[in-house]
Amino acid sequence: DAKTTQPTSMDCAEGRAANLPCNHSTISGNEYVYWYRQIHSQGPQYIIHGLKNNETNEMASLIITEDRKSSTLILPHATLRDTAVYYCIVRALSGGGADGLTFGKGTHLIIQP
Amino acid sequence: DAMVIQNPRYQVTQFGKPVTLSCSQTLNHNVMYWYQQKSSQAPKLLFHYYDKDFNNEADTPDNFQSRRPNTSFCFLDIRSPGLGDAAMYLCATSRTDRAWGGYTFGSGTRLTVV
Repeated sequence: DAKTTQPTSMDCAEGRAANLPCNHSTISGNEYVYWYRQIHSQGPQYIIHGLKNNETNEMASLIITEDRKSSTLILPHATLRDTAVYYCIVRALSGGGADGLTFGKGTHLIIQP
Repeated sequence: DAMVIQNPRYQVTQFGKPVTLSCSQTLNHNVMYWYQQKSSQAPKLLFHYYDKDFNNEADTPDNFQSRRPNTSFCFLDIRSPGLGDAAMYLCATSRTDRAWGGYTFGSGTRLTVV
């Protein structure tokens, strides 16, 4: 799996958009970008994933650069409950295989009231 | 709601005394995983079951074993827990018959070794 680089920590004001960057310059053509988050003392939670097009769901938006070497997760209106460690992971889609996720250090996002 | 359930949420065990953590799922996913997460670290994959096939990570200590008696349940056995095995243990599931590639995690069991 391609390696990712994320800032160690970030702050964001409540109600503002939180933009979390991720670099994955060695991503392969068949690898997707996944985002998970882990709220303190809970299991990781899936947020969103994408290949090359921008994606949006009820939780977040994912913006992937045209060269696919970096991406940004956007939480449009951050709340205190969004304080968590956010993991950016790149890997090939599972279908047919069962490899687990390899977690990096992630970004600790702190939402300030 | 379909989910991954881990029991207990907190487990205290004595040094060297065997302990078993359990995981159950109602998602009917064919793959189940166990991760270890030590304080302030990222989760680390220990092993997984692909259907009935057990797949161990190369650096998982022999002290850690797993059983999957049926699709819904998976157990993590620590034969002789040491102080260094204190951690959060996370169970996760996924399915391979559909290409979305997502993983569903349980809330974890926090193991304390005394």
